[in-house]
Amino acid sequence: DVKVTQSSRYLVKRTGEKVFLECVQDMDHENMFWYRQDPGLGLRLIYFSYDVKMKEKGDIPEGYSVSREKKERFSLILESASTNQTSMYLCASSLTGGRHQPQHFGDGTRLSIL
Amino acid sequence: AQSVTQLDSQVPVFEEAPVELRCNYSSSVSVYLFWYVQYPNQGLQLLLKYLSGSTLVESINGFEAEFNKSQTSFHLRKPSVHISDTAEYFCAVSESNYKLTFGKGTLLTVNP
Repeated sequence: DVKVTQSSRYLVKRTGEKVFLECVQDMDHENMFWYRQDPGLGLRLIYFSYDVKMKEKGDIPEGYSVSREKKERFSLILESASTNQTSMYLCASSLTGGRHQPQHFGDGTRLSIL
Repeated sequence: AQSVTQLDSQVPVFEEAPVELRCNYSSSVSVYLFWYVQYPNQGLQLLLKYLSGSTLVESINGFEAEFNKSQTSFHLRKPSVHISDTAEYFCAVSESNYKLTFGKGTLLTVNP
């Protein structure tokens, strides 16, 4: 089974801090994704990466950046955290490009910005 | 851009009752469709998918979904639910080689 591991289940940070959320997958998947999940809004794509050092903006990239230096690791960075970034963050990966490929999700990081 | 509509945000049912979770999508091209399930405090897990072929697809835990092209729907059904089926269910459509578009989710609550 694919294992997608997010480094923290819960995280509390302060406004203005630089925040790093880490995600690692163990199945040599090419694609990795970061979503945020908010009640009543479902999942919204922040960024994705289809190869090492390659990244593409999703639907809501403002206030975020990402880094993919190694194939198995995809980091989400909040450059200057704000309270409206309090949310559940989900990382996912998929084997290759192709519309038929399902995505495999980590357990999420619940981030609170105070 | 494609969109996915899950018509019910919450569905309460009693144990052993049948359930249908509705999903409609907008697309003018061929689609790939997915249902994911999210148990409390967990990430999403793939429940089933429609890629091609038979319009009725089944999961290992008794759920099934039927692709209806004319109605642009992919409703999820189970003839008899268990307490353990309590979770949030998300319908998703594959929009491009990389992107999935998700519905806003349906919270299924199974009561004893």
